[in-house]
Amino acid sequence: DAGITQSPRYKITETGRQVTLMCHQTWSHSYMFWYRQDLGHGLRLIYYSAAADITDKGEVPDGYVVSRSKTENFPLTLESATRSQTSVYFCASSEGLAAYEQYFGPGTRLTVT
Amino acid sequence: GQNIDQPTEMTATEGAIVQINCTYQTSGFNGLFWYQQHAGEAPTFLSYNVLDGLEEKGRFSSFLSRSKGYSYLLLKELQMKDSASYLCAVMDSNYQLIWGAGTKLIIKP
Repeated sequence: DAGITQSPRYKITETGRQVTLMCHQTWSHSYMFWYRQDLGHGLRLIYYSAAADITDKGEVPDGYVVSRSKTENFPLTLESATRSQTSVYFCASSEGLAAYEQYFGPGTRLTVT
Repeated sequence: GQNIDQPTEMTATEGAIVQINCTYQTSGFNGLFWYQQHAGEAPTFLSYNVLDGLEEKGRFSSFLSRSKGYSYLLLKELQMKDSASYLCAVMDSNYQLIWGAGTKLIIKP
């Protein structure tokens, strides 16, 4: 199906473990984004990508790594998970930046114990 | 620093009109977005303003005043399905979206 998907939808992991969240879009959008959403905070940008092999840091990149070898995929890796990374993670994509809406995936709820 | 302010929660009655305000202070301005987010779901796009004035789209309208750093989302003929959070976001000079914490709108019958 066309759209943007994320997996897993729910994940429980332990402190110190590495975990990868997957994001896949079928529109061939150039831009992809990773956000985290915490209660009482707005969405915060972790990393974004303008095209395959082009990534850049957002507001809160520490503790996260991204890659984009193919246009349609944009995985987010937590190298050594911490409790402060417990959050809901949203992936999004868009055709461009200014004036372009971002399309969001369904989210991954991550709990770090 | 960059800041987006919007009320935490609002309550309105089915069939009525509600206005959700958003004020912002950002490094540069490349447009203001409103998104709707139902509980447990992803945000979905509602509107975009880059010039001053009112943009109308069905029951929803969005207003922008760049000189005042102010926007509002107006929802008319409220329906129960409009119960959701409404997120205000400003695109800054780096073309990154800065998001408000969202306004939870509760619709009562």
